[in-house]
Formats: sequence, structure tokens, C-alpha cells
Amino acid sequence: AQKVTQAQTEISVVEKEDVTLDCVYETRDTTYYLFWYKQPPSGELVFLIRRNSFDEQNEISGRYSWNFQKSTSSFNFTITASQVVDSAVYFCALCRSGTYKYIFGTGTRLKVLA
Amino acid sequence: EAGVVQSPRYKIIEKKQPVAFWCNPISGHNTLYWYLQNLGQGPELLIRYENEEAVDDSQLPKDRFSAERLKGVDSTLKIQPAELGDSAVYLCASSTGSQETQYFGPGTRLLVL
Repeated sequence: AQKVTQAQTEISVVEKEDVTLDCVYETRDTTYYLFWYKQPPSGELVFLIRRNSFDEQNEISGRYSWNFQKSTSSFNFTITASQVVDSAVYFCALCRSGTYKYIFGTGTRLKVLA
Repeated sequence: EAGVVQSPRYKIIEKKQPVAFWCNPISGHNTLYWYLQNLGQGPELLIRYENEEAVDDSQLPKDRFSAERLKGVDSTLKIQPAELGDSAVYLCASSTGSQETQYFGPGTRLLVL
């Protein structure tokens, strides 16, 4: 069975603090994809990153960085120097290679306070 | 490039009434998805279209839900009759293919009274 766990229901930080959102997944597949989406109050899920299971290289995009560790089945997301505009619900998702079915976690609500 | 467009953004109806949601995917995206998102949860797939064909509707409650994508572009999801438990956000997504990244619209927030 496939499962995505985002244990942090809600996180509050003060602007400019760094914050890490955790994502732990379960799958028996060797080939799969992992995703992060951002859902601001407007409701739209905004695509942030897609990572292939064979690519464990960490990625940095501006203030965003992702740490993929197959050994611990984790795909954590860090926002450096957080800003108020980062306030949103963040979803981690898993998709078996060759399929289209995303398994989403329950999301982590991030509140960045000015 | 325009994103996925959905309308209406909000809808309030009384139970037993019908309701319809409309989605226009990103231009060139052949695959279209409808998701249901309950409060505090991640989205759950209802139906997937490849062009005009519904290739996976296994999660669609067919007694009251229906969907169509007649010309393989925009799509409509209908509920008739609506029940209190249908209150949720209905998201539409599209992709260039079934194994490609899905891009989501803003959703329609439905409240059934």
C-alpha cells in the first residue's frame, strides 16, 4: 500500500525564520515520483517540485530546498528566510511510476507571522 | 500561459438541488482530472479523462455524480441531487499525459445547506 504522512498539522514561524516541512512516504515500488504543492488561501494547488525516485540529489530553488532521502523514505521541504506570502497549506504527494494516481498527505498549514 | 480555469469559485445550494462545476484545462493538455478535497485533507481523485474518454471513474459515486468532456477540452462535473456531505472543494487538474505533472485550478467551494 502507498501512503504519505505529514505529521505536522500546523506550524507557525516568525518572518525570516527557516522552517522545514516533513514528508514521510510508504511504497513498495522502486520507481515512483514525489511532489510538493502549495495551496494558498485562494485554493489553487501550485506545483513546486517533482522528484524521481532515482534522483536523490537535493534541490534548491531560491529560498526553497528539498531533501530527499530514500533510506528514511522522507522528502522534506525547507523554506529559508520565510515570508508572510509563504503562508499556505503545503501538500506532499506520491505517485507510482507509470500511473497517474497521486496519493496526497493531509497537508501542513504554515503560518508566517510578520 | 493561462492556467486551469474553474467556475464558479463558490456555490451555495440547498440539499437535493442539482449543481454543476465547469473546468477548462491548460491548452494542449489532453488529460483532465476531477478531485474532491474535504476540509483538512488532501485531494482525492474522482475521475480522469484522456481526451473525451473517461478512463478511470472508479471513485466517482455514480448514483448522484456525473461528468462529461464532450469535445475533449472543457469538462463539467454534476451532482444531482446534492447532499449535505457533498460540501467540499472540487478541484480540476490537467496534464499533457497521464504520467506527467498535474496542474490544478483554483477549485469550486461547494456548501450544501
